[in-house]
Amino acid sequence: SQQGEEDPQALSIQEGENATMNCSYKTSINNLQWYRQNSGRGLVHLILIRSNEREKHSGRLRVTLDTSKKSSSLLITASRAADTASYFCATDAQGTYKYIFGTGTRLKVLA
Amino acid sequence: AAGVIQSPRHLIKEKRETATLKCYPIPRHDTVYWYQQGPGQDPQFLISFYEKMQSDKGSIPDRFSAQQFSDYHSELNMSSLELGDSALYFCASSLALRGLAADNEQFFGPGTRLTVL
Repeated sequence: SQQGEEDPQALSIQEGENATMNCSYKTSINNLQWYRQNSGRGLVHLILIRSNEREKHSGRLRVTLDTSKKSSSLLITASRAADTASYFCATDAQGTYKYIFGTGTRLKVLA
Repeated sequence: AAGVIQSPRHLIKEKRETATLKCYPIPRHDTVYWYQQGPGQDPQFLISFYEKMQSDKGSIPDRFSAQQFSDYHSELNMSSLELGDSALYFCASSLALRGLAADNEQFFGPGTRLTVL
């Protein structure tokens, strides 16, 4: 199975600290996406990184991709209480256009 | 900007009933995906359509079927509903641009929460 795994499963930090979440996957991919989901709500697209990219930034978000290790990380800098959510990575295997989601990291930012 | 629209947002059904979920992709997007997310679980890919043809199939039960119409909207039909079908059902759309170096960036709708009693 291509299912990704995310680590840690849960993370609790203080407001202002940085949060780092990692995602590992099993097969070669075209793209990797990070999503955020507030409890029971929809999935919000954060960043897409292509397999030929190594790093991407968007505001306080920084995503890295290491295809040799089949892993990605999402860094949220200067976290805020409003960043509290679950964060998922999703990958599409080469030759397919479906995304397989990782197990998610539940981030809690304490005010 | 227009987003993916799903209807209904909430649906309550009895066991063994049928349900139809609808998805309207972002304008000009040609690919639609369906995902199921059970309580406390990660989204699971069900099925996708590109240009009205099924493109990929995941863990979709035989009791479920889906199609994409000429206006690119999609419907997920669910029959003989079971308690375990209670979940959030997400639709996502993308512009696949097959054959080109494309992002296949998927954007999700708000989901339909199905409760089977």
